[in-house]
Amino acid sequence: GQNIDQPTEMTATEGAIVQINCTYQTSGFNGLFWYQQHAGEAPTFLSYNVLDGLEEKGRFSSFLSRSKGYSYLLLKELQMKDSASYLCAVRDSSNYQLIWGAGTKLIIKP
Amino acid sequence: KAGVTQTPRYLIKTRGQQVTLSCSPISGHRSVSWYQQTPGQGLQFLFEYFSETQRNKGNFPGRFSGRQFSNSRSEMNVSTLELGDSALYLCASSPSPGQGANEKLFFGSGTQLSVL
Repeated sequence: GQNIDQPTEMTATEGAIVQINCTYQTSGFNGLFWYQQHAGEAPTFLSYNVLDGLEEKGRFSSFLSRSKGYSYLLLKELQMKDSASYLCAVRDSSNYQLIWGAGTKLIIKP
Repeated sequence: KAGVTQTPRYLIKTRGQQVTLSCSPISGHRSVSWYQQTPGQGLQFLFEYFSETQRNKGNFPGRFSGRQFSNSRSEMNVSTLELGDSALYLCASSPSPGQGANEKLFFGSGTQLSVL
């Protein structure tokens, strides 16, 4: 079946580093996305991985291992505005649908 | 460039009624998809439209339907509402159902539907 797992909630300190993991099981794979969603707002695109390895974009980096069905989003130099939910989504090549995880709520403390 | 616009922002209905939600994509975007979001669950895919044709459909009952117009605007309809239909309905647009990072979605703020 299709399944994406993420931790429900994480807490980190301002200025620190946090890693949010995502594991997936899908019939096919054609890319993995990370989105950020602040409470009461629309999700916004953060990153895309289709090949194994690390993609860096400023304070945010995303890693993919297709053989392990695993990705993580790394946030550095955490700021209070990073408090949000982080959604992992996989494009399933068997039906071309985007399968979403339930999201990880990240709480940043001063 | 204006973002994705969804109307209405909030909606309260009673069981058995029907509802129509509207989505205007970013100018130039021809692909529109709809999602249902409930607390504790991931986004559930409803359907995707491109050039007025439904390209893909999720596992929702036939009470959920949609359409896309020639100007790429889309509507979603839910008939015979049930309490479990209470959720945030998100619309997203993209230039086209292409490959890779070009598929990234631009979401509207959603319509919060409450069924009483």
